[in-house]
Amino acid sequence: GQQVQQSPASLVLQEGENAELQCNFSSTATQLQWFYQSPGGSLVSLLSNPSGTKHTGRLTSTTVTKERRSSLHISSSQTTDSGTYLCAFHGNEKITFGAGTKLTIKP
Amino acid sequence: ETAVFQTPNYHVTQVGNEVSFNCKQTLGHDTMYWYKQDSKKLLKIMFSYNNKQLIVNETVPRRFSPQSSDKAHLNLRIKSVEPEDSAVYLCASSFWGGGEQYFGPGTRLTVL
Repeated sequence: GQQVQQSPASLVLQEGENAELQCNFSSTATQLQWFYQSPGGSLVSLLSNPSGTKHTGRLTSTTVTKERRSSLHISSSQTTDSGTYLCAFHGNEKITFGAGTKLTIKP
Repeated sequence: ETAVFQTPNYHVTQVGNEVSFNCKQTLGHDTMYWYKQDSKKLLKIMFSYNNKQLIVNETVPRRFSPQSSDKAHLNLRIKSVEPEDSAVYLCASSFWGGGEQYFGPGTRLTVL
C-alpha cells in the first residue's frame, strides 16, 4: 500500500542553524503538503509542493517527483520553529501522513 | 477492523440547510481532526480535538462546529450551508503529539 517515510525522526539544532527534513513516498504524488504541529497541538499547513521548488519565508521545499521524495529546508532556525513537521502525501489511493520529524531548536 | 469511518459518502443539499457528518475511529487514538479538501486536493485543517482541548482554525466560519460524544467519535455540523461549503470533508485520527494521522474516505458535500 501507499507509504510515507520521514527522516530524521528527531532533530536537535542550535538556534541559527539550518534544518533539512526529508519525506519519501511510495508512488506518484498528486499533491504533497508539509504541515507544522506546535507543541501545543495546533496544526498549520506550511507548503504544498507536488513538484519542483517552492519558497515561503525561511522555508524551502523541493520535491523530485521521479525520485519520490520531498525535502523541507528551514534556514536560520529559531526556537519558535520547534515542533513536529509532517509530510502529507496524496497518491492515487488516499492521503497518507508521515510519522513526522520532531524538531527541537535550542537557544 | 480498525480504521476511520465516515458517513455519508455523499450529500447534496440546498443553501441554508443544516447538515451533519459522522466520523468514528477504531484505532484507539485520542485525537481527531476535520479537514476540508479543495479541488486541488489541498487539505485545510478545520478542527483538532482530544479530550483535553479543541483547537479551531481561526479561518473556519462559525456555522461549522465539531461534536464529540467520546474520543472515538467526532462529528461535523454545518448550521446553514453556503455554496462555498461544497467540498470533500475528511476526518482523521492520531495519538496526541504522535504525528501520523489516519484518514477516513471522506464525505463529498454539494450545495445547490
